[in-house]
Amino acid sequence: GEEVAQTPKHLVRGEGQKAKLYCAPIKGHSYVFWYQQVLKNEFKFLISFQNENVFDETGMPKERFSAKCLPNSPCSLEIQATKLEDSAVYFCASSQWVEAMDTEAFFGQGTRLTVV
Amino acid sequence: AQSVAQPEDQVNVAEGNPLTVKCTYSVSGNPYLFWYVQYPNRGLQFLLKYITGDNLVKGSYGFEAEFNKSQTSFHLKKPSALVSDSALYFCAVSPPERDYGGSQGNLIFGKGTKLSVKP
Repeated sequence: GEEVAQTPKHLVRGEGQKAKLYCAPIKGHSYVFWYQQVLKNEFKFLISFQNENVFDETGMPKERFSAKCLPNSPCSLEIQATKLEDSAVYFCASSQWVEAMDTEAFFGQGTRLTVV
Repeated sequence: AQSVAQPEDQVNVAEGNPLTVKCTYSVSGNPYLFWYVQYPNRGLQFLLKYITGDNLVKGSYGFEAEFNKSQTSFHLKKPSALVSDSALYFCAVSPPERDYGGSQGNLIFGKGTKLSVKP
């Protein structure tokens, strides 16, 4: 597709429940990024993939958060045992691999996770 | 530590007037610099980027930005603001020191500046 598609748009979970978010990157893009935008608009980088391989996971909380990008499937971000502080908008972005030229990331519309 | 600063939480401009949204960065080496815009309940839309070359970069919707290496700034500008430009603007930097194989690494974002353009 020509845009990054994120589902669902909204997700409400009780504390302790699991949350799973999905992202379909733009066709042909090799890199996928997950960001968390909290209430004060701050973006926090979580994890990136180069195709199905984890590229950079320095922002990923070690506990409870996991992510995958499997061939022929949407990428996913899963939060086990959600906490109130996980409430945020989660954005997925993708970018193309272009040799010797940096390309911009294209963002999806986000999934708003509310933990109650 | 690498960081991006947007010193203004909000910028108010009258329609037709020029606008500037400020951004400074603290990154080692020569970073890649980006501006994104976020409309309410929407994702980020790319406006423009500086990778190398001419310090004045032109982007979407009439926006431009000037890279100033000595001041480590990348301010966003538009000669004549429109009411429809009202949105949240994010400056971002992609540190260049890692080999990302031609694509950008993760972005470090500023906190965002809310631009309000009044008729």
